[in-house]
Amino acid sequence: GIQVEQSPPDLILQEGANSTLRCNFSDSVNNLQWFHQNPWGQLINLFYIPSGTKQNGRLSATTVATERYSLLYISSSQTTDSGVYFCAVPYGGATNKLIFGTGTLLAVQP
Amino acid sequence: DGGITQSPKYLFRKEGQNVTLSCEQNLNHDAMYWYRQDPGQGLRLIYYSQIVNDFQKGDIAEGYSVSREKKESFPLTVTSAQKNPTAFYLCASSRWVSLDTEAFFGQGTRLTVV
Repeated sequence: GIQVEQSPPDLILQEGANSTLRCNFSDSVNNLQWFHQNPWGQLINLFYIPSGTKQNGRLSATTVATERYSLLYISSSQTTDSGVYFCAVPYGGATNKLIFGTGTLLAVQP
Repeated sequence: DGGITQSPKYLFRKEGQNVTLSCEQNLNHDAMYWYRQDPGQGLRLIYYSQIVNDFQKGDIAEGYSVSREKKESFPLTVTSAQKNPTAFYLCASSRWVSLDTEAFFGQGTRLTVV
């Protein structure tokens, strides 16, 4: 089955720094989602990005489907950006069942 | 506001008991899903449903059961057959179950066996 790997596994930043999170996947995909899991466990949708680039405030994402990776950029990080960032892609035939990467744990220090 | 509501947020279960986790959505989505998350891990699919009165097993369905009697509701029962039920459970929905739709998640239920 499809494999999803994220890097780095952990990241510590000072407030105001920029960062890039990476998601590699082993097979072609029809969609890719980025999520932020906050300290209370809630999964917040960041981007639905099968290909191309999208921006939302300080966050942006790029998916290069032909090379099987996606990048999430966080600029001018804030303490509220702390948490775990997951990418997820569909698997298992013609359904939107998602397989998740193992996540990147981000800690932004004041 | 449209969204997915899970209840309760915290649930404690004694050994040998069945418990039911609630998931309700008012997004008019056809597809609904249950995922399990263990500490430090990603999410794994338990069950999914494409339409009312239909549901399919995911990767870790043993010890769980679901029903889909109404479009907006997809309850999950954790049975006594589930050997290690302590985990964080997340419900999700999408417009339909095809590959090119976005999934949205509820706030989760944290289940602990005591």
